[in-house]
Amino acid sequence: NAGVTQTPKFQVLKTGQSMTLQCAQDMNHEYMSWYRQDPGMGLRLIHYSVGAGITDQGEVPNGYNVSRSTTEDFPLRLLSAAPSQTSVYFCASSNDRGYSPLHFGNGTRLTVT
Amino acid sequence: ELKVEQNPLFLSMQEGKNYTIYCNYSTTSDRLYWYRQDPGKSLESLFVLLSNGAVKQEGRLMASLDTKARLSTLHITAAVHDLSATYFCAVDSPGNQFYFGTGTSLTVIP
Repeated sequence: NAGVTQTPKFQVLKTGQSMTLQCAQDMNHEYMSWYRQDPGMGLRLIHYSVGAGITDQGEVPNGYNVSRSTTEDFPLRLLSAAPSQTSVYFCASSNDRGYSPLHFGNGTRLTVT
Repeated sequence: ELKVEQNPLFLSMQEGKNYTIYCNYSTTSDRLYWYRQDPGKSLESLFVLLSNGAVKQEGRLMASLDTKARLSTLHITAAVHDLSATYFCAVDSPGNQFYFGTGTSLTVIP
């Protein structure tokens, strides 16, 4: 049971490049979400999904896209990377949002130069 | 927008001492979570508090929730070095969103 798997672990992009951060979970969780963690700001929600085919915006969605075609996968796309998107990104899932804690992946450290 | 405030942001405490971390939030919620994060690592769930007056304990950590005061506390008893980490509280809003506090960085010194 791998839990929540994020790839890659590290990534360096140039301004304007695009990329996709991958997230997969094998716990059959309906709820999945993406957060960014910046020093002194805790974790901020980017996008979330309550099931396949359903996504919604969080606190800081600008510059990011998501889709949820399967229960297992929830990729995060950076359309045109900016230095302000330098951060650590966490994917998290839950089997019953609101009554169970989030299970977090190991994170992706992204640097945009 | 729901706001979650933790204090203190930084805490340095001696081994064997007791201390409390506070988590205040700005809107009605019956569900609050505590997580631990070690440097360079992911977040690990510590406690899930689902109702007013809920109290959970694990080892030297005890968490409580007062939904009327919109306050949760994480109490540390007789701190040991292994408890050094960053602790986050998070509140579940009615809109399917979790809001996290800024974290409390705890250092336990001999």
